[in-house]
Amino acid sequence: AQKVTQAQTEISVVEKEDVTLDCVYETRDTTYYLFWYKQPPSGELVFLIRRNSFDEQNEISGRYSWNFQKSTSSFNFTITASQVVDSAVYFCALSEQIDTGRRALTFGSGTRLQVQP
Amino acid sequence: DTEVTQTPKHLVMGMTNKKSLKCEQHMGHRAMYWYKQKAKKPPELMFVYSYEKLSINESVPSRFSPECPNSSLLNLHLHALQPEDSALYLCASSPPRGGFGYTFGSGTRLTVV
Repeated sequence: AQKVTQAQTEISVVEKEDVTLDCVYETRDTTYYLFWYKQPPSGELVFLIRRNSFDEQNEISGRYSWNFQKSTSSFNFTITASQVVDSAVYFCALSEQIDTGRRALTFGSGTRLQVQP
Repeated sequence: DTEVTQTPKHLVMGMTNKKSLKCEQHMGHRAMYWYKQKAKKPPELMFVYSYEKLSINESVPSRFSPECPNSSLLNLHLHALQPEDSALYLCASSPPRGGFGYTFGSGTRLTVV
């Protein structure tokens, strides 16, 4: 079963629009960590945010904000006033225990965001 | 600059070649990972090393052979690959228990001809 679902395959917006990227996850762990990564065309994965399962406080960093809701198993990402430089693939990822004392990241399928000038 | 360094950045190899991908980190992380990413797909976990010991092998074919010579280095030895193995290979490192942050290298883009 898919553990991280990003239902939006591709989103296209015009510059300065707000855009929300959805992420729904599934886990049996009581302690887990959620991440968002940005992958520009060059290929590197750029870390954006980490949230642990005990901290449901929403976070804002500049134009970026994240809404974590355990009740709906969602960890959504909003970009306010989007810019062309925001164009990239965005991955939501779940870090859960895979072995005693060991964890690894499982990625969602990604959402390709295109911001048109 | 990324704190996880992968070399080479690009590699083209024939199906009979033997090559190696290298990954190096100096953050004191004791867990290192290899991920494979096909075009327009998410990264998929291949191997996990914890304290220089292979702890997870996600049923990867034996033509991929990982090696962790010390806590800072991670290699992926390639032999007799197939064209469908062409992909972006990403290395990552983290503190031993993970969860607290994973740092990725910029990847090696591999083409098998």
